[in-house]
Amino acid sequence: GQQLNQSPQSMFIQEGEDVSMNCTSSSIFNTWLWYKQEPGEGPVLLIALYKAGELTSNGRLTAQFGITRKDSFLNISASIPSDVGIYFCAGQARKSYGGSQGNLIFGKGTKLSVKP
Amino acid sequence: GAVVSQHPSRVICKSGTSVKIECRSLDFQATTMFWYRQFPKQSLMLMATSNEGSKATYEQGVEKDKFLINHASLTLSTLTVTSAHPEDSSFYICSARGIPGLAGGPATDTQYFGPGTRLTVL
Repeated sequence: GQQLNQSPQSMFIQEGEDVSMNCTSSSIFNTWLWYKQEPGEGPVLLIALYKAGELTSNGRLTAQFGITRKDSFLNISASIPSDVGIYFCAGQARKSYGGSQGNLIFGKGTKLSVKP
Repeated sequence: GAVVSQHPSRVICKSGTSVKIECRSLDFQATTMFWYRQFPKQSLMLMATSNEGSKATYEQGVEKDKFLINHASLTLSTLTVTSAHPEDSSFYICSARGIPGLAGGPATDTQYFGPGTRLTVL
């Protein structure tokens, strides 16, 4: 089955530093999503990418959909303490409003710790 | 928009009892709802997918008779953990997806997640 490799597994950074994390897949995705999860909460969507090569920003967050459609990265600029959490990438094979092809495949997450 | 709620947020039950968890899409019609399970320090694992009005599709290794899913309306899905055991203790998260452009549909076809339910079986 499809698998996502997300790296790094964890990061310990100083407040103000930039952060970069990425996901690679063994197969093509048509949609890449980046979520943030805080302890005891469900994932919250940060950025959604729908086209190969697409570069999208959301405040200090920037994500790109790789040209090969097998990878994506998320950058956080000038990190702040509230950026702490676990960041998950997720890929969707193709749009489908029924059946399993529209299911999300999740990476294992990147745990971000920010030291003030 | 696109808010998904879950109830209860946490539940503690005795071994052998059944627990029902509700997932509601508050401001859009969810044609498909998903149920995930997340163990500590791990990623989300899809348990099952349900389309409104039809039987749920379970992932390999998930017992359909133990995890009963009902998607009776376009805004409500329930997950019932039957005869719960301590190993069923986990964080259960639902997500909902609709069809953009349809009346009552969300802005995008992305999955919107609920806040999760922490189940502890004693």
